[in-house]
Order: sequence, then structure tokens, then C-alpha cells
Amino acid sequence: DVKVTQSSRYLVKRTGEKVFLECVQDMDHENMFWYRQDPGLGLRLIYFSYDVKMKEKGDIPEGYSVSREKKERFSLILESASTNQTSMYLCASSFGGIGYTFGSGTRLTVV
Amino acid sequence: GDSVTQMEGPVTLSEEAFLTINCTYTATGYPSLFWYVQYPGEGLQLLLKATKADDKGSNKGFEATYRKETTSFHLEKGSVQVSDSAVYFCALSDPGGTSYGKLTFGQGTILTVHP
Repeated sequence: DVKVTQSSRYLVKRTGEKVFLECVQDMDHENMFWYRQDPGLGLRLIYFSYDVKMKEKGDIPEGYSVSREKKERFSLILESASTNQTSMYLCASSFGGIGYTFGSGTRLTVV
Repeated sequence: GDSVTQMEGPVTLSEEAFLTINCTYTATGYPSLFWYVQYPGEGLQLLLKATKADDKGSNKGFEATYRKETTSFHLEKGSVQVSDSAVYFCALSDPGGTSYGKLTFGQGTILTVHP
């Protein structure tokens, strides 16, 4: 089975800190995604990547950046964390448009 | 752009009741359709999928049929169990064009099943 591993289940950070969320997949998938999950809003796409060093903005990229230096790793960066970025963050990888696998999520609290 | 609309929740049922969660979509092209489930404290798991019109996806007693004429993909189960309590997400993916198959999600429906 494909595994998508997110490095932390829970994080607490202070306002203004630079925050790194890490995601690693083990099945050589081309596409990787970062979503944010908020109650009543479902999942919203922040950024995605279709190849190493390639990235595309999703629906809500403001305040975030990403890095994909290796195929298996896709990092989400909060340049200066704010309280409105408190949320559940989900990473996913896919082959083509069909075979998605999600990580378990990182619940980030910004205080 | 693409969008997915799910029925308002939360939904509360007694064990063995019939479940329907409505989902309609708007998309260009020919999307693939999915239902994902999220159990408490976990990430999303694929429940079922359908890749073309009139396909029926099924898994664990859940079913959904891809209806192109009504742009719908409603989730059904004939007899729910307490263990089905979770959040259910309808989603679509358009593998064509330049979207690289990114998923567009509905807002999620919380299902609670009581004994």
C-alpha cells in the first residue's frame, strides 16, 4: 500500500514563527498536494506539485509556500504563522487523477 | 470552475436506518467522482469511486451511482452501523486538461449513528 507520512500529528506554534510541515510518500507518485480542512468548508487546496521543483497555486495559497526538492517529499511552509492558519493540514499524493492517498493530517494551532 | 455541493449536515440516525447523503457537482469535461470517509482523529480514506457515467461504486455496503444527466453522485447505505459514524466527503477530479487531477471537495457531512 502507498503510504503518505506527515511528520507531526499535532503542532503548536507562536504567531510570527516560520513553520514547516513535512510530507513524504513512498510510491514514486508524480503529484503531491497540500489541503487545509476547516469545519463547514471541507478541504481546500493550498498548493500542488506535479514534478520535482514544480509547483502550482491552489485555491488558497496566500500566506503559504511549498518546496519539492525530491520526488518523495513535499513541504508546506507558513512564512509567518498567524492565528487564522490554525487548522488541520492534509497532504496527499496521486498517480494521474485517480489513485489518491492521504496522510493522517497535522493539526496546527497558532497561538 | 469545478465545484461540489453536499447536503447540509450533520446527519443523525439510529442503527440499521437507511442512509442517503446527497452530492451534486459542476465540472467541465468528464470528471471522476469519489466518496471519502474520515473517521475521528484520522486522515481521509477512499470509500468508493466512479470514473464514467452510469458507473456504480460500492464498498462496505455503501453505494453511489454516477448520474451525468442530474450531475449527481449520492451516497447510500441500506443499514448503517455505529461504526459508520464519521465525516463523509464527496469529491471530483478532472484528470484532463492542466489540473493534474486535483480533487475538489464538498464541505463534508458529519454522520452520527446511535445504537
